[in-house]
Amino acid sequence: GDSVTQMEGPVTLSEEAFLTINCTYTATGYPSLFWYVQYPGEGLQLLLKATKADDKGSNKGFEATYRKETTSFHLEKGSVQVSDSAVYFCALGTVNSGGYQKVTFGTGTKLQVIP
Amino acid sequence: DGGITQSPKYLFRKEGQNVTLSCEQNLNHDAMYWYRQDPGQGLRLIYYSQIVNDFQKGDIAEGYSVSREKKESFPLTVTSAQKNPTAFYLCASNSDYRAYNQPQHFGDGTRLSIL
Repeated sequence: GDSVTQMEGPVTLSEEAFLTINCTYTATGYPSLFWYVQYPGEGLQLLLKATKADDKGSNKGFEATYRKETTSFHLEKGSVQVSDSAVYFCALGTVNSGGYQKVTFGTGTKLQVIP
Repeated sequence: DGGITQSPKYLFRKEGQNVTLSCEQNLNHDAMYWYRQDPGQGLRLIYYSQIVNDFQKGDIAEGYSVSREKKESFPLTVTSAQKNPTAFYLCASNSDYRAYNQPQHFGDGTRLSIL
């Protein structure tokens, strides 16, 4: 079945450091890929997405490239801020046998940015 | 602003009691979803609905029930048969249940605890 593997956290960085959160996936066909962010006590917000191979999603300084050959969608940011502290979820979107959207989430990676 | 409203934010359940979590959306979305979030486990799908008066079981439907009498509303009942209900519950929606490349929109969640 479909699955998403994320690096374990927490990841602790100093402000202005470079961020990489690794995400790899297993899926049949050609899924869409998403990164969501969750702030404490809140729901998930879409951060960025990519719908086909070699697409690059970007938003708020975050980027991720859909790499079909390595089945990866790593999240990067050049200079993190304290306000980026949150839990980040990698997810893939496919269609199940009934024709309905199915989203498979990773377990989340907690990021802590210290001043 | 369009969005998803979940209520209450915190809920406590006594042994043997059923409780209902509310989810309302004004995005005019057809598809709605309920997820359960436990620490370190990511999100797991409980139920989903693609249209009024129709819904499907997700991966962990046992001990839960739903209804979809109106497009805007998708309440989740946690029954006494759910022996481990303590978790963070998230409601989501999507404009097209068949579109694997469309992101889901999330509410801010309800945290359910056992008394």
